[in-house]
Amino acid sequence: DVKVTQSSRYLVKRTGEKVFLECVQDMDHENMFWYRQDPGLGLRLIYFSYDVKMKEKGDIPEGYSVSREKKERFSLILESASTNQTSMYLCASSFLGQAFFGQGTRLTVV
Amino acid sequence: SQQGEEDPQALSIQEGENATMNCSYKTSINNLQWYRQNSGRGLVHLILIRSNEREKHSGRLRVTLDTSKKSSSLLITASRAADTASYFCATFTNAGKSTFGDGTTLTVKP
Repeated sequence: DVKVTQSSRYLVKRTGEKVFLECVQDMDHENMFWYRQDPGLGLRLIYFSYDVKMKEKGDIPEGYSVSREKKERFSLILESASTNQTSMYLCASSFLGQAFFGQGTRLTVV
Repeated sequence: SQQGEEDPQALSIQEGENATMNCSYKTSINNLQWYRQNSGRGLVHLILIRSNEREKHSGRLRVTLDTSKKSSSLLITASRAADTASYFCATFTNAGKSTFGDGTTLTVKP
C-alpha cells in the first residue's frame, strides 16, 4: 500500500520557535509537495521538490523553507513561527501526475 | 491566484439524487484530478483525467474535461449519505506544478 507519513498529527509551538514538519513516503516518488489548508482559502502550495536536493517555491513560500536530503523525506521548516502560520499542513508525493497525501499536521502557533 | 475554482461552494441534496460539481482553471494543464476530503481527514484521490481525455468513469463517478473552456465537472450518481464530504479539483501542469481549488462541500441527506 502507498504511504505518506507526516511525523505529527497535532503540534503546538510558540511564536518565534523554529519548527520542523517531517514527511516520509515509501513509494520512491521523485516529486514531493507541501501545502497548507485554511478555511475559505483551500489548499495552497508552499514548496515542492522534483528530486533530492532540489526545491522550488510554490504559491506562498514566505516564512518557510524546505529540505530534501533523501528521496523519501521532505521537510518543511518554519524559520520563526508566527501566529498566522497556524494551519493544517499537508504533505504529498506524486508520480505520473497522481498525488498521494499524508494525513496532515495541524499546527497551532501561540 | 487560485488556478482551480470549484462551483458551487456548497451543495445539499437528498440521498439518491445526482450531485454535479464544476471546476474552472486558467492555464494549460497536463491533467486534472478530483479529490475528496472528509472532515478532519486527509485527501483521497478520486479520479485523474488527462488533457487529451474528455470523459472518464469510475464507479458512480463521472468526470468530464473541456480544455477549450478550461473546465471540468464531477458527477456523483445515486448519491449516498456517505458521500458527504468536501470535493476538490486540482490541476497539474507539464512542469509538475499543482494547484488546488477551494473545494465544494457536499451534504447528502438520508
